[in-house]
Amino acid sequence: DAGVIQSPRHEVTEMGQEVTLRCKPISGHNSLFWYRQTMMRGLELLIYFNNNVPIDDSGMPEDRFSAKMPNASFSTLKIQPSEPRDSAVYFCASSSPLAGTGETQYFGPGTRLLVL
Amino acid sequence: QKEVEQNSGPLSVPEGAIASLNCTYSDRGSQSFFWYRQYSGKSPELIMFIYSNGDKEDGRFTAQLNKASQYVSLLIRDSQPSDSATYLCAVNPPGNLFFGTGTRLTVIP
Repeated sequence: DAGVIQSPRHEVTEMGQEVTLRCKPISGHNSLFWYRQTMMRGLELLIYFNNNVPIDDSGMPEDRFSAKMPNASFSTLKIQPSEPRDSAVYFCASSSPLAGTGETQYFGPGTRLLVL
Repeated sequence: QKEVEQNSGPLSVPEGAIASLNCTYSDRGSQSFFWYRQYSGKSPELIMFIYSNGDKEDGRFTAQLNKASQYVSLLIRDSQPSDSATYLCAVNPPGNLFFGTGTRLTVIP
């Protein structure tokens, strides 16, 4: 399997611009997670989907952030307008529940976002 | 209080020694516990998971869980320089998953 695929791998943009991050989960996985990682705050869960439905978006920092999952093989995280404090590494992860083991998540390579 | 707490380190151990990484969590309803390793500039990768009290061994790695004390640890035996990374503890209360901020481990040759 190809693993979780994210694009772009690097993004440099100017403040105020719209940024769209993309994720393709592992085939057959029914949960998808978006995380943000910074040195100061560590790994933070932004939102997760189960069977394409958003379950918990309490981690989304503000209305500038939105996420969609139109089908089982694709999700986007959009920031509009972007701000310098949004600079971070954004990870997408997917999982498929295994009996008795909770949900083991598999991470994509991440998108390194720099907002100038 | 954070959901998951880890000592940020850095933790330095000589090659061949045992590295001990610790994690505490706040939600007593947590059911599953994970250790991820993250090399600098890379994504987290799963090392081990544990969901029952006691020890679970996998090669040089041993995860220990004590639900009464809300404590989970990871022991790395015969530490190698290639083990140098940040180790993230993750805890799975029902319907959620929380990560600690990670402990940075350096194994000195």
